[in-house]
Amino acid sequence: DVKVTQSSRYLVKRTGEKVFLECVQDMDHENMFWYRQDPGLGLRLIYFSYDVKMKEKGDIPEGYSVSREKKERFSLILESASTNQTSMYLCASRGGQINQPQHFGDGTRLSIL
Amino acid sequence: GIQVEQSPPDLILQEGANSTLRCNFSDSVNNLQWFHQNPWGQLINLFYIPSGTKQNGRLSATTVATERYSLLYISSSQTTDSGVYFCAPGETGANNLFFGTGTRLTVIP
Repeated sequence: DVKVTQSSRYLVKRTGEKVFLECVQDMDHENMFWYRQDPGLGLRLIYFSYDVKMKEKGDIPEGYSVSREKKERFSLILESASTNQTSMYLCASRGGQINQPQHFGDGTRLSIL
Repeated sequence: GIQVEQSPPDLILQEGANSTLRCNFSDSVNNLQWFHQNPWGQLINLFYIPSGTKQNGRLSATTVATERYSLLYISSSQTTDSGVYFCAPGETGANNLFFGTGTRLTVIP
């Protein structure tokens, strides 16, 4: 079974802090994704990466950056956290073919005070 | 991106009842997944089903890609089926999934 692990289940940070959310997968997947989930809006894609050091913007990249230095790890960075970034963040991974399922981590519930 | 509509938005069932959840999408797809998000926020893969029909225990799903819809059937519902069900198609040639706003299912004993 695919295992996608997010480093924190709950996280509380302050406005203006730099915040790192970490995601690790154990299946040698090429593709990794960061989504944000807000009530009534479903999940929205922030960024995805299709290879080491490669990334593409999703639907809502503003205020975020990402890093993928190793194949198994994909980090989401909030450069200067703001209260409107309080949300549930979910990481996913997928193999190299488009017609394969995405597998999700358990999510990080982030609160910015 | 793909527009995704799920219905009904909310559903309350008595334990043991059957239900059908519907997902309509606006474009051709090469990928479609159904997920169950439990009360703890975990997204559980139910089906990968860009076309055809699959069954897994009390759950089954059908996607008719040419008519741009997918259905999730839950039979003999249990309280542990409660949560939010998401449909997420991926458009042809694209990497990411597009999520609907989900169907919130509550199964009461």
